Amino acid sequence: KAGVTQTPRYLIKTRGQQVTLSCSPISGHRSVSWYQQTPGQGLQFLFEYFSETQRNKGNFPGRFSGRQFSNSRSEMNVSTLELGDSALYLCASSLNRDRPYNEQFFGPGTRLTVL
Amino acid sequence: SQQGEEDPQALSIQEGENATMNCSYKTSINNLQWYRQNSGRGLVHLILIRSNEREKHSGRLRVTLDTSKKSSSLLITASRAADTASYFCATDRDYKLSFGAGTTVTVRA
Repeated sequence: KAGVTQTPRYLIKTRGQQVTLSCSPISGHRSVSWYQQTPGQGLQFLFEYFSETQRNKGNFPGRFSGRQFSNSRSEMNVSTLELGDSALYLCASSLNRDRPYNEQFFGPGTRLTVL
Repeated sequence: SQQGEEDPQALSIQEGENATMNCSYKTSINNLQWYRQNSGRGLVHLILIRSNEREKHSGRLRVTLDTSKKSSSLLITASRAADTASYFCATDRDYKLSFGAGTTVTVRA
């Protein structure tokens, strides 16, 4: 079974631009979560989607948004990029987040650099 | 803010030795999970322990959970060079994982 895939793997943007990152979960997984990892703040939760509904959102400005499609694939968008948005963005999928005992499977991440 | 805090921040051991790292958290949880990350890559799930469990084993890994003290520990026995990585604890609540800052483990040959 293929793992979680994220595209692109690396991305370089300039301040003020916007970016869209894509995540394809493991087949059959309906929950997708996004995390930001930086050296200063560590791993921070962005948002979680289940069956196209956002069920939780982290403490990030409105410039960060996401969505999930009917096939469970998810995208996150960051508008008006700032230097501080440079980070590794990780996507994770889970089989069924209706129950609290589910491990999350992470993708390799998208390394975003904002110049 | 991060829910969990790992201790120590860094650990250097000889191959074959055991490595122990601790995690403390602040609020009630559904479960606690441990992950490994190699050199800024994706996270690999190691083990999940439910809030009503006290100890769990998986291969060379042993995890304990003390909900009264809001703490967990991860023990890696007979370490190998391939265990060199960063290890994170994560508490699971409200459909999100809250990660600690991680423990960087270096296993010397």
